[in-house]
Amino acid sequence: GAGVSQSPSNKVTEKGKDVELRCDPISGHTALYWYRQSLGQGLEFLIYFQGNSAPDKSGLPSDRFSAERTGGSVSTLTIQRTQQEDSAVYLCASSLVRVNTEAFFGQGTRLTVV
Amino acid sequence: DAKTTQPPSMDCAEGRAANLPCNHSTISGNEYVYWYRQIHSQGPQYIIHGLKNNETNEMASLIITEDRKSSTLILPHATLRDTAVYYCIVRGFNNNAGNMLTFGGGTRLMVKP
Repeated sequence: GAGVSQSPSNKVTEKGKDVELRCDPISGHTALYWYRQSLGQGLEFLIYFQGNSAPDKSGLPSDRFSAERTGGSVSTLTIQRTQQEDSAVYLCASSLVRVNTEAFFGQGTRLTVV
Repeated sequence: DAKTTQPPSMDCAEGRAANLPCNHSTISGNEYVYWYRQIHSQGPQYIIHGLKNNETNEMASLIITEDRKSSTLILPHATLRDTAVYYCIVRGFNNNAGNMLTFGGGTRLMVKP
């Protein structure tokens, strides 16, 4: 596709349920980032994948959060036993791993935990 | 990545130039200055980046001081659609973590008619 694609665009889930959010990066982009943005707040880094290297998980807020990137392309962010404070927009970005390149963002998944 | 400091908000009259400052006094020699913006309810959009020379593209100009400790993003003729939060980011590429994009608070630019 032409850009970073995220699905679903909106997700409403009940507290305690698990959710999976998907990110399709731009073809050929080996770096992939997940962020979340709570209402009226800035972007909070969650996790970063670069090629075959071990991901940087330093931003994951708890062990309920995990992410995978299969085949170096599509990534899935999983939130287990969702809580109301998990409600936010989850944003994915991808880039080439090369000096002097930009990262491109998807439109995000708006997660609402009720 | 080095920290950046931006004013939390700015106003600009429609049609005038918007000059958004950013301080990055701890930037190191191999780190680039990137600018993104986020229009309400959308994902961040790349604007421009530079290392030490001034840069210009169809969206904006980036002026980096000679000591590289600060920069200014210039939108030459601001329109109402330029109302957004503008993020200045310093980004290195020298190791695994160096490709990170770390967002600060940004500057909320309000373009007024």
